Formats: sequence, C-alpha cells, structure tokens
Amino acid sequence: EVQLLESGGGWEQPGGSLRLSCTASGFSFRDYGMTWVRQAPGRGLEWVATISGTGGRYYADSVRGRFSISRDNSKDTLFLQLNSLRIEDTGIYYCVKDRLTLSTCEYWGQGTLVTVSS
Amino acid sequence: QSALTQPASVSGSPGQSITISCTGAYSDIGDSMYVSWFQQHPGKAPKLLIYEIGLRPSGVPDRFSGSKSGATASLTISGLRAEDEADYYCSSYTSRATLIFGPGTRVTV
Repeated sequence: EVQLLESGGGWEQPGGSLRLSCTASGFSFRDYGMTWVRQAPGRGLEWVATISGTGGRYYADSVRGRFSISRDNSKDTLFLQLNSLRIEDTGIYYCVKDRLTLSTCEYWGQGTLVTVSS
Repeated sequence: QSALTQPASVSGSPGQSITISCTGAYSDIGDSMYVSWFQQHPGKAPKLLIYEIGLRPSGVPDRFSGSKSGATASLTISGLRAEDEADYYCSSYTSRATLIFGPGTRVTV
C-alpha cells in the first residue's frame, strides 16, 4: 500500500522559510516522479513543483526562484524548501506520487498546513 | 487564475447521470493524453478518479467515465449516489512541461 506522510508545516512570517518533508513507503521511490500540490483555504488545487526519479525539476511560475524541490532516494523522502514566503503561499501542501513524471497525480498524502502571516 | 475552466456547480438526483466539462487550449488538453480527474470530499485529500483521459484506477467504480474532444475533457458520473457529493477537479499536462488544474466543480446530489 502506497503511503505518503508529510511533515514540516507550520506558521511563518512573510519573508521567512520552511522545509517540508514527505516520507514515502509501499513503492520503489527512486523509480517515480514526485510532486507537491497546494490548496489555499477554501480554494482549488494548484500544482507547485515536480521532481523526476533522476532529479529533473519543474516549477510553477508562482514559486520559481523561491521554492526548491529535492529528494533523497536513499531515505525515500521528498522535500520542498520554501523561501521568501508570501501570505498567498498559505495552504495545505500535498505530497503526491506521480504515475509517470508530470503526467498523473496518482497517490496523495494527507497534507501539511503552511500558514504565512504577520 | 486557472487556464482550465469548469462549471462552478452541477447537481443531480440519485440515479441520474451528470457530466462535468473541463475546457482548456490546444497547448494543454488539446494536445495531451495526460488528462486526469480527481474527487475531493470536505477535509480530505484528493483522490484520483480518471487518468490518461478515460482510464480508471483499480477500485474506482465504472460509474465514473472520462472522455475528450478537442480541448474539452469531460467526466460523466452515472447512477449518481449520495456519496458522490464532492468537489471534482480536472488536470492536464501542458506543452510548457507544467501541470495545471481546473478551478473545481461542486457536485450536489
């Protein structure tokens, strides 16, 4: 059974930084692309970033240059470094296993809440 | 602002069929086989319903079906049930090597 467990969310001031983690199990982590999707309170889903199994990175325009996606295949863990945080970055951040990189968001974690506020 | 458009809401009675549209452009839905649909109940994570336009993951009832014509994808729910009341999102791979989601459709049964 695929399981994705996010952590690292919390409260931060505008301009601050946070690092999200996602521990994966139930599949061969290194063989799959992984994605972060976020959802602002009461709003829809927004793709944030994707990393392939071999480390190729893709970003939404809204976060490029501020967020960085990475992975540690030896620890089956996905990361998202959030820098220069803005109020509009507030939301639930979901860790997602791709069926094929950048194709299908196949399995979703339960999410971790990031709140950016002064 | 999402580049995909969906109706804000769709409603139906139990047993009826409803269809949710998702309209994009040639650079996304029109030129991609990677069109997906997701169901999200309040307070829960999204769940994959349809991938690659019309394929169902294991465990998804065949009441859910997907199709595409040009730059518009559609999700049809047949034999509507109370538990189908949820938000539904479409997504597509784009020619810019990004993913985009539709704004979501609230289904009321």
